[in-house]
Amino acid sequence: DQQVKQNSPSLSVQEGRISILNCDYTNSMFDYFLWYKKYPAEGPTFLISISSIKDKNEDGRFTVFLNKSAKHLSLHIVPSQPGDSAVYFCAAATDSWGKFQFGAGTQVVVTP
Amino acid sequence: NAGVMQNPRHLVRRRGQEARLRCSPMKGHSHVYWYRQLPEEGLKFMVYLQKENIIDESGMPKERFSAEFPKEGPSILRIQQVVRGDSAAYFCASSPLPQGKTEAFFGQGTRLTVV
Repeated sequence: DQQVKQNSPSLSVQEGRISILNCDYTNSMFDYFLWYKKYPAEGPTFLISISSIKDKNEDGRFTVFLNKSAKHLSLHIVPSQPGDSAVYFCAAATDSWGKFQFGAGTQVVVTP
Repeated sequence: NAGVMQNPRHLVRRRGQEARLRCSPMKGHSHVYWYRQLPEEGLKFMVYLQKENIIDESGMPKERFSAEFPKEGPSILRIQQVVRGDSAAYFCASSPLPQGKTEAFFGQGTRLTVV
């Protein structure tokens, strides 16, 4: 039962442009959401998080938007840089669960 | 403050052998999680431990897999009688609070290959 879905397995974007990554979830109990970035042969690195009491959180070039009614969140990267080329995972958790549910990931390639 | 340390980074085992994966959480972190990533897939939760206690093992296969986080020393994920399907990257994460309240920090992973 895949409760967190990233329907785009890959995304190609030009350097300097905006990258928009999408994530949908089915469990209305989720109240904490995160994005992780992963390079090959390395562990995931935390990027940004948002709790369900907010609809937007910004950290430098990264902004996460949460639409609770649509059960949808997105990650915006502006401007995209070559070093952003990686796999991005969306994750969700509930306060009572104590564990993350991860999406399948989106491979981002930033081209010159 | 060192990050989450996992060893070994790579582990090759023959079918039927045992695999032991170690994880030392970040200093001050008492919550440890193990995740598995199969090829071309996302990370799947396996088990959540606090010192000397298994909090949630709902993602662990019922047989051959076990985990512990003793009072002293690293957390251990043990896979007995490994099979080819156990080949995957195993990631450990730690956090100062349960994952529903804060982000977790991941180790570099152990890549298990069963031959």
